[in-house]
Amino acid sequence: KNQVEQSPQSLIILEGKNCTLQCNYTVSPFSNLRWYKQDTGRGPVSLTIMTFSENTKSNGRYTATLDADTKQSSLHITASQLSDSASYICVVSAQAAGNKLTFGGGTRVLVKP
Amino acid sequence: DTGVSQNPRHKITKRGQNVTFRCDPISEHNRLYWYRQTLGQGPEFLTYFQNEAQLEKSRLLSDRFSAERPKGSFSTLEIQRTEQGDSAMYLCASSLSGVPTSPLHFGNGTRLTVT
Repeated sequence: KNQVEQSPQSLIILEGKNCTLQCNYTVSPFSNLRWYKQDTGRGPVSLTIMTFSENTKSNGRYTATLDADTKQSSLHITASQLSDSASYICVVSAQAAGNKLTFGGGTRVLVKP
Repeated sequence: DTGVSQNPRHKITKRGQNVTFRCDPISEHNRLYWYRQTLGQGPEFLTYFQNEAQLEKSRLLSDRFSAERPKGSFSTLEIQRTEQGDSAMYLCASSLSGVPTSPLHFGNGTRLTVT
């Protein structure tokens, strides 16, 4: 069964600090891994998409890494801002018709001043 | 705004009533997805369309749920005889087929509350 597990479930950090979110997956056959940011009451917004051959990808202060051998990914937030308070969802796509996606449960990040 | 649009944003209904939600995808996107999301959880797949054809339905989609995309553009999701367990955020997303790394573009959802 395809699964995506994220940790921690939630975390609180001070503005300006860095943090790292983890994602472990058991999705096969693997196609790509995505990180989404979801503000409260809004739909998810794509941050990064990585294929099998990509180890790291950045989008501003967000840097995602992928280790396809261990089936792990991380999302690093640098110099956090209050606007980074959101849920971050790891999504893994399998090589199947319909771009079949498996969603993690998300990590809720709260940035405090 | 050329993003994915969902209406209404909020819907409160009494148990047993029928509700219908609408999704207008990004115009050039031929794939359209419906997801359901409850508090603190990631979105759960319900169904998806490629153009007007409904290609897959989740087992989560009971007989009370039906989705249509009659002209391959907008889509509707209807829930008949709503139950309290149907209370959730219903998200619509669209993308391009044939591009595995094409990102899903989500709407801001319809929040359904069944009383």
